[in-house]
Amino acid sequence: GQSLEQPSEVTAVEGAIVQINCTYQTSGFYGLSWYQQHDGGAPTFLSYNALDGLEETGRFSSFLSRSDSYGYLLLQELQMKDSASYFCAVTSGGSYIPTFGRGTSLIVHP
Amino acid sequence: DAGITQSPRYKITETGRQVTLMCHQTWSHSYMFWYRQDLGHGLRLIYYSAAADITDKGEVPDGYVVSRSKTENFPLTLESATRSQTSVYFCASRSGGAYNEQFFGPGTRLTVL
Repeated sequence: GQSLEQPSEVTAVEGAIVQINCTYQTSGFYGLSWYQQHDGGAPTFLSYNALDGLEETGRFSSFLSRSDSYGYLLLQELQMKDSASYFCAVTSGGSYIPTFGRGTSLIVHP
Repeated sequence: DAGITQSPRYKITETGRQVTLMCHQTWSHSYMFWYRQDLGHGLRLIYYSAAADITDKGEVPDGYVVSRSKTENFPLTLESATRSQTSVYFCASRSGGAYNEQFFGPGTRLTVL
């Protein structure tokens, strides 16, 4: 089966940098995705990593190490609006169906 | 409206009743998904569909039925609702390929009394 581990909660102050880690166990790994979900809203796609390395999109970056079965989401210049839940999701096997982690609640303090 | 929509947005029903949640997408995406979200469990896959008339079970399919006669619609039916099915239900769609993002609907908050 598949399993993902991510911290349940992370807190940081406005303007800081925060890293949300995700470790996974799976076979036939294809890629790792990240989604953001604000309270009462729907998840929205942030990034997808299929190859090792860092992908940067504005203030958000996502990293993948396939050999370590590990990835992280890096949020820079934190803003209050970044307070949300962040989910990692691993896609593997032959069906291209992602499995989501339980999510990390990010709380940004002023 | 373009995008992915769900109806109803809120539903209260009683134990034992049949309930159908609707999902409609306008992109002609091949893949569609149903998830439930409960506190502490993240998003759990109920059923998915790779194309019209092709459906498959996810992680938590018991008590649910799906159909997909048209590419754009993917209804989810609770045949006999139970209190444990109280949850927020999200529909999602995606075009083919593992790297393509999933687009989620706004969700349906279902309460079973």
